[in-house]
Amino acid sequence: SQQGEEDPQALSIQEGENATMNCSYKTSINNLQWYRQNSGRGLVHLILIRSNEREKHSGRLRVTLDTSKKSSSLLITASRAADTASYFCATGGAGSYQLTFGKGTKLSVIP
Amino acid sequence: DTAVSQTPKYLVTQMGNDKSIKCEQNLGHDTMYWYKQDSKKFLKIMFSYNNKELIINETVPNRFSPKSPDKAHLNLHINSLELGDSAVYFCASSPGPPGEQYFGPGTRLTVT
Repeated sequence: SQQGEEDPQALSIQEGENATMNCSYKTSINNLQWYRQNSGRGLVHLILIRSNEREKHSGRLRVTLDTSKKSSSLLITASRAADTASYFCATGGAGSYQLTFGKGTKLSVIP
Repeated sequence: DTAVSQTPKYLVTQMGNDKSIKCEQNLGHDTMYWYKQDSKKFLKIMFSYNNKELIINETVPNRFSPKSPDKAHLNLHINSLELGDSAVYFCASSPGPPGEQYFGPGTRLTVT
C-alpha cells in the first residue's frame, strides 16, 4: 500500500519565491527521502533525512522531519524556473531494501 | 558516463506480443530495482535484486519476469502484453538498504 502522501498535488509560484511541499506517511521509518523528476526523465535523489534527525539542509533545500506527526516538509528557497518538476517523498524502513513513494507534488515556477 | 541506462527509451507494440527492457548500472551497486509509473505519476515497486538474488517481488502479473545475469544488469521481460501494461518503467540501483536510489531515464511502453 502507498506510504507517503504529498501535499499539495500541484503548486505554482513566481520565480524567487519559496516553495514548500509536505509529505505524510503511515508507518515507522528509518529514513525519508525526497526526489525530483523533470518531465520525461528519471527521478533524481535530492536529500535523505534519517528518523533521528529533525532538519537537514542541502544548498537551497531544507527538509524537516517530525516523526511524532509522521510528516516531512521540503522547502526550496529562492525558486528558479529550472526547479519546475515533480517532487516525490519516499520512505525507507530499517534494513529494508524497499522505498515507498508518494504521489508527488507538481511544482511550476513561473519566470 | 551514464550511471543507470535503459534500453529502449520508447517501445510501441501490439497486444499479445512479448518484449524485453534492459537495464545496466556502472555504479558498482549491489541492488537493482524495477518500478512502474502509471499515467498519474504513481511509482510502484515491482521487483528488486540484490547480488543477483530476487529480494522484492511485489504483486505483479506473472507475465512479468525479471532476470539478473550479473550484478550490473537487470532485465525485465513481459509476455502477452496487455493495454494496461502501458506505462513508464524505471530501473534503479542502490548501494544497499535503505539508502538513496539512482534511477535510469525510463522506458515508455505503449501497448496498442
